[in-house]
Amino acid sequence: SQQGEEDPQALSIQEGENATMNCSYKTSINNLQWYRQNSGRGLVHLILIRSNEREKHSGRLRVTLDTSKKSSSLLITASRAADTASYFCTTVGNAGNMLTFGGGTRLMVKP
Amino acid sequence: EAGVTQSPTHLIKTRGQQATLRCSPISGHTSVYWYQQALGLGLQFLLWYDEGEERNRGNFPPRFSGRQFPNYSSELNVNALELEDSALYLCASSPRTGGRYNEQFFGPGTRLTVL
Repeated sequence: SQQGEEDPQALSIQEGENATMNCSYKTSINNLQWYRQNSGRGLVHLILIRSNEREKHSGRLRVTLDTSKKSSSLLITASRAADTASYFCTTVGNAGNMLTFGGGTRLMVKP
Repeated sequence: EAGVTQSPTHLIKTRGQQATLRCSPISGHTSVYWYQQALGLGLQFLLWYDEGEERNRGNFPPRFSGRQFPNYSSELNVNALELEDSALYLCASSPRTGGRYNEQFFGPGTRLTVL
């Protein structure tokens, strides 16, 4: 079964609006990472949050982590058409370094 | 600083042939990971190499293999290609800092098509 599961599967918003994506995971983690993938190309690392952190900011991105609920959220503020992509959360457990991915959230930002 | 590079960009093979995919990590990174992104199956972990050794492999048959060279670049070999091997193969690298592993940086991928 997937370790990271994103919700919703698809999200369509207007430019300028905020986009919120959620991620749930099953086992204990070392850290959680969010990646973006544009149209079947390589993944771009967005942000990493460690298990002892609760919130992290990077530009227009805000990530929260709730280890008691085994969940994370990614907020993109003031979205742009260029933010249109698939977003994945991934986790790194304590037993190894390979990433496990959920199905991702497909975000479409309409100009 | 150059990112992770992969070659070739596209690869077309026929069923039963062998495919070799190449990856060069970011300078200073010792770990290389391979992932498969097949249509409808999402991103799945294939192999992890660190310091020239295979550290872990995902749930893939033995015809998926690879190696890491002394300069930390890596090859992924897929033997006896099957139609369902058609996918985007992504390579990622990460540094090893203080014994703890960090975020992975991905290359642009190699799109393998098996006819």
